[in-house]
Amino acid sequence: GAVVSQHPSRVICKSGTSVKIECRSLDFQATTMFWYRQFPKQSLMLMATSNEGSKATYEQGVEKDKFLINHASLTLSTLTVTSAHPEDSSFYICSATQGRNTEAFFGQGTRLTVV
Amino acid sequence: GNSVTQMEGPVTLSEEAFLTINCTYTATGYPSLFWYVQYPGEGLQLLLKATKADDKGSNKGFEATYRKETTSFHLEKGSVQVSDSAVYFCALTPGSARQLTFGSGTQLTVLP
Repeated sequence: GAVVSQHPSRVICKSGTSVKIECRSLDFQATTMFWYRQFPKQSLMLMATSNEGSKATYEQGVEKDKFLINHASLTLSTLTVTSAHPEDSSFYICSATQGRNTEAFFGQGTRLTVV
Repeated sequence: GNSVTQMEGPVTLSEEAFLTINCTYTATGYPSLFWYVQYPGEGLQLLLKATKADDKGSNKGFEATYRKETTSFHLEKGSVQVSDSAVYFCALTPGSARQLTFGSGTQLTVLP
């Protein structure tokens, strides 16, 4: 199957700083990318959907100014957690699809710890 | 809204044991149902899927049948291997939408 690479896999940052997470589709053009967040022992929760070249669509309750998503090309989407706080510590995972009704391919996930 | 309820783990089995991981869902309309697997250090991979009632998805010895009457999609394997140790996620998409709603995941450990 297609490969989606997410980087970094783990990051520890100080409270108040910003962290950028990258999601790349390595061998296909991802027209749509999804960002999920997972709390311990809970489901993956969809945060936002991004289409290349347009603004991301955020799910209810997700602060768009807190979680900045950029999908500038067909192979790269980034999630920036701005002014991170300990409550932002979580597992973040992206997925990418090539078109409508096609399989979603997932990155490896990023474990963010804010201290 | 849509939701997926998945059997809590962790589940520990001996090699060659029978595996069942329960999954039930709530959704409007006719969702597609999926099982994803996440091996240590890797991303989620699609294991199998079913798109309509009574469909059976199967892959690598795993099976799951889309049961509309019980709103279930239980994952089964007749004889697990150590290499099956991973986290398993049940998920759905409503209609043609591609956003996935996930269960909480079940950690499976298979001992030799």
